Amino acid sequence: NAGVTQTPKFQVLKTGQSMTLQCAQDMNHEYMSWYRQDPGMGLRLIHYSVGAGITDQGEVPNGYNVSRSTTEDFPLRLLSAAPSQTSVYFCASRTSGRGNEQFFGPGTRLTVL
Amino acid sequence: GDSVTQMEGPVTLSEEAFLTINCTYTATGYPSLFWYVQYPGEGLQLLLKATKADDKGSNKGFEATYRKETTSFHLEKGSVQVSDSAVYFCALSLFNNDMRFGAGTRLTVKP
Repeated sequence: NAGVTQTPKFQVLKTGQSMTLQCAQDMNHEYMSWYRQDPGMGLRLIHYSVGAGITDQGEVPNGYNVSRSTTEDFPLRLLSAAPSQTSVYFCASRTSGRGNEQFFGPGTRLTVL
Repeated sequence: GDSVTQMEGPVTLSEEAFLTINCTYTATGYPSLFWYVQYPGEGLQLLLKATKADDKGSNKGFEATYRKETTSFHLEKGSVQVSDSAVYFCALSLFNNDMRFGAGTRLTVKP
């Protein structure tokens, strides 16, 4: 199993550009989520999905869109990049149920100029 | 709202020193509690967890006990190694699968 994979590993954008961060998992997990990691702030939830066709907002959803057309894939779209979106982005997945471990991808480091 | 507060770092220790990283939480209901570790350039990995009061999670010499009376889940290790240098995150998981993380504590262990 590859686990949770993310692409790209690094990305530089100019303000106003759009892009999609890819995330895939091969563990048949129902629950997938996107976090951003900023210094001194831990991980903050952007969007999550409890299954194909179902998505919801987390703590910091503004400026991001998601969709979940398959169990495996959960892309994150930046509609019009802003410098405030410079961060490290992590995708994660888990089976539903209290106490279940969340598996993380290796992260995407995004810089918006 | 539900949240996690963990001790701010960075923490610098000598090899074989005792480690404590404090973590307290605020939650409605009865969350599950986790410690995750992040090595440089990598994603987060589960270190240990506890799902109910008085449970003790342990792994790789690290331990943490779920204390409902003090709403705490402090991470401890009796003798740290250089290879333990990483960022440690305390987290809680709620009934709706949402997971909340602390700010992270950077640990550096010197030989």
